[in-house]
Amino acid sequence: EAQVTQNPRYLITVTGKKLTVTCSQNMNHEYMSWYRQDPGLGLRQIYYSMNVEVTDKGDVPEGYKVSRKEKRNFPLILESPSPNQTSLYFCASSLSSRNAYEQYFGPGTRLTVT
Amino acid sequence: AQSVTQLGSHVSVSEGALVLLRCNYSSSVPPYLFWYVQYPNQGLQLLLKYTSAATLVKGINGFEAEFKKSETSFHLTKPSAHMSDAAEYFCAVSGMFSGGYNKLIFGAGTRLAVHP
Repeated sequence: EAQVTQNPRYLITVTGKKLTVTCSQNMNHEYMSWYRQDPGLGLRQIYYSMNVEVTDKGDVPEGYKVSRKEKRNFPLILESPSPNQTSLYFCASSLSSRNAYEQYFGPGTRLTVT
Repeated sequence: AQSVTQLGSHVSVSEGALVLLRCNYSSSVPPYLFWYVQYPNQGLQLLLKYTSAATLVKGINGFEAEFKKSETSFHLTKPSAHMSDAAEYFCAVSGMFSGGYNKLIFGAGTRLAVHP
């Protein structure tokens, strides 16, 4: 089954404790992206990757890092989480950057930073 | 610059009634427009898309949307609401940039409630 998976689905952590949210897709997609969803703000892009070893900032990249060492994986790293990063996070992928609008979304990761 | 405005953060309808979710966009390039649906505790699912072909677009689950350039609108409709339509709906705009990168800009979302 074609899908985007994220782990963990739920995470409660404390300020400053480094964490990684994994994202994996099995569709051989070139383009991958991370979004955060906050009430009243919709989804905002954090980082995106157009292919292996090619990443760039989205609209709200501060406090986040990403890497794309393999085509299928695109982990989101929070080096020193803060309470304002409490949010619902979505990973998404699409066939290529030219089809970035046809994005397939993961189930989401709900992060709480205390 | 591109942006999306969804009018009404919450919409409530009776089962069997018309569903109308409003979306207005702003775009400096010919837009591609989309509606995504998010069911509780799930990711986003593409409902329908407009990519410069027919202005009336039909999607899944009986939804459709009409692109109206003069009104810069892309409202989502369904003739008869079903309880299973209760979800959050996001309108999004995309456009080709010079580098060929196609980015999605989302609206704030509209939560649809359907009551018996």
